[in-house]
Amino acid sequence: AQSVTQLDSHVSVSEGTPVLLRCNYSSSYSPSLFWYVQHPNKGLQLLLKYTSAATLVKGINGFEAEFKKSETSFHLTKPSAHMSDAAEYFCVVFNRGNAGNMLTFGGGTRLMVKP
Amino acid sequence: DGGITQSPKYLFRKEGQNVTLSCEQNLNHDAMYWYRQDPGQGLRLIYYSQIVNDFQKGDIAEGYSVSREKKESFPLTVTSAQKNPTAFYLCASSPNRGETQYFGPGTRLLVL
Repeated sequence: AQSVTQLDSHVSVSEGTPVLLRCNYSSSYSPSLFWYVQHPNKGLQLLLKYTSAATLVKGINGFEAEFKKSETSFHLTKPSAHMSDAAEYFCVVFNRGNAGNMLTFGGGTRLMVKP
Repeated sequence: DGGITQSPKYLFRKEGQNVTLSCEQNLNHDAMYWYRQDPGQGLRLIYYSQIVNDFQKGDIAEGYSVSREKKESFPLTVTSAQKNPTAFYLCASSPNRGETQYFGPGTRLLVL
């Protein structure tokens, strides 16, 4: 079975400082990994995805994530936080299985950005 | 303007009542999904459909039902058997059997 663990339920940064949202996964084979963002009372928006190409993945709004197989990690980073980045972020792994293909979500990390 | 629409944005349910949440997509995607989100938690899969006239139970299907009569539409009914329906419900569709999913804006269901 595959699973995703987001190591921090809340992260608080000051505007203009770097962002690091941590994610570890477990998978029996090479996974597809994603980061989604959710603003309050909104649906989820895809930030970026890793599908076995380059290990450093660039996404929208200046975010990027690095796939590290040896550490089973897929941490999300951004060099400089903006107030509009305040939201909930989900790390997600894609499961391919006999029962169907589906996403497994981490518990989410709420990012707060202080002025 | 392509995308996924969900209606209503807010829905109130009385005790013992069935309610239906709408999900429509004009992206020509074969697969559609329903998720439930509770405060401070990730998403849990209720039902999914890979093709018209076929659907499968997800992790928390009890108390819910779906239909998939048209490619564009995947309505979710929350039945009276669902004892704790208060949550945020998200619909998604996928062009590639679920690997990349596009989400609607969600429906918040509240119990009166």
